[in-house]
Amino acid sequence: AQKVTQAQTEISVVEKEDVTLDCVYETRDTTYYLFWYKQPPSGELVFLIRRNSFDEQNEISGRYSWNFQKSTSSFNFTITASQVVDSAVYFCALSEAGGQNFVFGPGTRLSVLP
Amino acid sequence: DAGVIQSPRHEVTEMGQEVTLRCKPISGHDYLFWYRQTMMRGLELLIYFNNNVPIDDSGMPEDRFSAKMPNASFSTLKIQPSEPRDSAVYFCASSLETVYEQYFGPGTRLTVT
Repeated sequence: AQKVTQAQTEISVVEKEDVTLDCVYETRDTTYYLFWYKQPPSGELVFLIRRNSFDEQNEISGRYSWNFQKSTSSFNFTITASQVVDSAVYFCALSEAGGQNFVFGPGTRLSVLP
Repeated sequence: DAGVIQSPRHEVTEMGQEVTLRCKPISGHDYLFWYRQTMMRGLELLIYFNNNVPIDDSGMPEDRFSAKMPNASFSTLKIQPSEPRDSAVYFCASSLETVYEQYFGPGTRLTVT
């Protein structure tokens, strides 16, 4: 069965620090997709990124970057030069292509202090 | 597109009353999901539909909960009778397929007193 672990329940950093949110997944499928979502204090869930299991290239989008490593079953998310507006709960998720199976991790609450 | 639309945004009701939450998915999305979020249990998948057909309802807590999708543009989640422990934020989401990203509605904050 698939599983997503986000071991960091809460993280606090000071503005301008870099921070990495960890995501470790388990799956038996060879084809799968990984996602990150952001839930700011306002409550809505916002899609950030989707990666498929065949594309291990790191992704960078502005201050956000994602590191996908199949060897360690990890899909970590780094925010560079964090800002107060980055304060949110971040969810990692996994979807298997072999069946209609998908799962969200428990989330990591990030607090960026001014 | 307007995105996923949910109504009402807030609902306060008394224990024992029937509650109906509504969702309009993004046009063209074949999958619709209902989630519940609480501090204690996090984000829980309740049920999801594919082309209006329920695929997995194993997350529905008990018989008091029911969900329907009479057409591609409308779904309801009903709780009857409601209990205080049902207080939560209920999200609806839609996607093209399960391997694609889900787009979430703004949620309905339900309070049962």
